[in-house]
Amino acid sequence: KAGVTQTPRYLIKTRGQQVTLSCSPISGHRSVSWYQQTPGQGLQFLFEYFSETQRNKGNFPGRFSGRQFSNSRSEMNVSTLELGDSALYLCASSFVAGQGPSEQYFGPGTRLTVT
Amino acid sequence: AQKITQTQPGMFVQEKEAVTLDCTYDTSDPSYGLFWYKQPSSGEMIFLIYQGSYDQQNATEGRYSLNFQKARKSANLVISASQLGDSAMYFCAMRLYNQGGKLIFGQGTELSVKP
Repeated sequence: KAGVTQTPRYLIKTRGQQVTLSCSPISGHRSVSWYQQTPGQGLQFLFEYFSETQRNKGNFPGRFSGRQFSNSRSEMNVSTLELGDSALYLCASSFVAGQGPSEQYFGPGTRLTVT
Repeated sequence: AQKITQTQPGMFVQEKEAVTLDCTYDTSDPSYGLFWYKQPSSGEMIFLIYQGSYDQQNATEGRYSLNFQKARKSANLVISASQLGDSAMYFCAMRLYNQGGKLIFGQGTELSVKP
């Protein structure tokens, strides 16, 4: 069974540009969550999608958005990039997004550098 | 507010010895899950072990075991027979079952295994 895949793995962008990151969950998993990891703030939850609907959202500005497709693949978009958006962006997939135990599996991450 | 605390920024252990990584959590919600992840320098988050708040027994997965003390709100990770490949960052995380897939992470512990 293939794991969680993220593309691209590395990205360099300039301030003011926008970027789209992609995440394909494990087959059969319907929940996809996104996290930002920086040395200063650690791992922070961005948002979660389940069955094409955003189920939960972290405390990030509206420049950060996402969506999920019918095949459970998810994309994350960051508009008007700032230097502080430089981070490792991780996505995680799980089988359920509701109540009850459910392990989450992470992809390899996309390392975004904003110059 | 929900919070995960890992008080050991860095730890050293001799190869083949056991090591305990500390994790305490704070929540008033009775239904939650606790996770440990390993993050090597490559960046990928590797799922290690899970403990549900209603589980009566401590979770074990190979060389990993979780010392769950609910009254003390602690969920320490025990790695037995440390190997050089265990050198990595280790994160404790919590998921409240009524908040979907959102994980709350601690700041992490960097484990170094000495030969």
